[in-house]
Amino acid sequence: AQSVTQLDSQVPVFEEAPVELRCNYSSSVSVYLFWYVQYPNQGLQLLLKYLSGSTLVKGINGFEAEFNKSQTSFHLRKPSVHISDTAEYFCAVRGSGSGTYKYIFGTGTRLKVLA
Amino acid sequence: DSGVTQTPKHLITATGQRVTLRCSPRSGDLSVYWYQQSLDQGLQFLIQYYNGEERAKGNILERFSAQQFPDLHSELNLSSLELGDSALYFCASSTTSGSPDTQYFGPGTRLTVL
Repeated sequence: AQSVTQLDSQVPVFEEAPVELRCNYSSSVSVYLFWYVQYPNQGLQLLLKYLSGSTLVKGINGFEAEFNKSQTSFHLRKPSVHISDTAEYFCAVRGSGSGTYKYIFGTGTRLKVLA
Repeated sequence: DSGVTQTPKHLITATGQRVTLRCSPRSGDLSVYWYQQSLDQGLQFLIQYYNGEERAKGNILERFSAQQFPDLHSELNLSSLELGDSALYFCASSTTSGSPDTQYFGPGTRLTVL
């Protein structure tokens, strides 16, 4: 079974500052990892995903995440945030083996970008 | 616009009632996923269908059921509703089932149980 922990429920940051949203996972098998963003009153949108290969994954809107197997982490980063990045961000995990299709989502981190 | 449609957008009903939520996936997508998002439990995976067959089951209550029809649209049936079932219900679709294709989420159905 897998689990995901997003340690920060809210992260306030000033515009043009860098931000890191933390995600740690637990799994007894290899996993796929995802970051989704949810803007107010909308569904979720995929930002990026790690399947295999390079541990640094680049996504949309200037976001990137680094897979760290030894620390079981998949933190999301952006070097300079904009007001429009204000949203809720979800980390998710899915087992990579055959027959493992269940997605587990973290509780979300609300990013508030301040002017 | 993700291409996934959900109806209705809002639903208000009473305890003990039964409702049906509908989802139309993106054109060409064979997989449909259902999620429940509530303040106390966050985003919970309920169930996945692939080309009409149940593929994975998450934290779906026995009072809830789903199906995917030959035209690939899906319905989530919620019965004997309780106050705690009030939540946003999302449907998502993807092209395949085994490989982790991008899931495209619909706008959700907000269910309020009074």
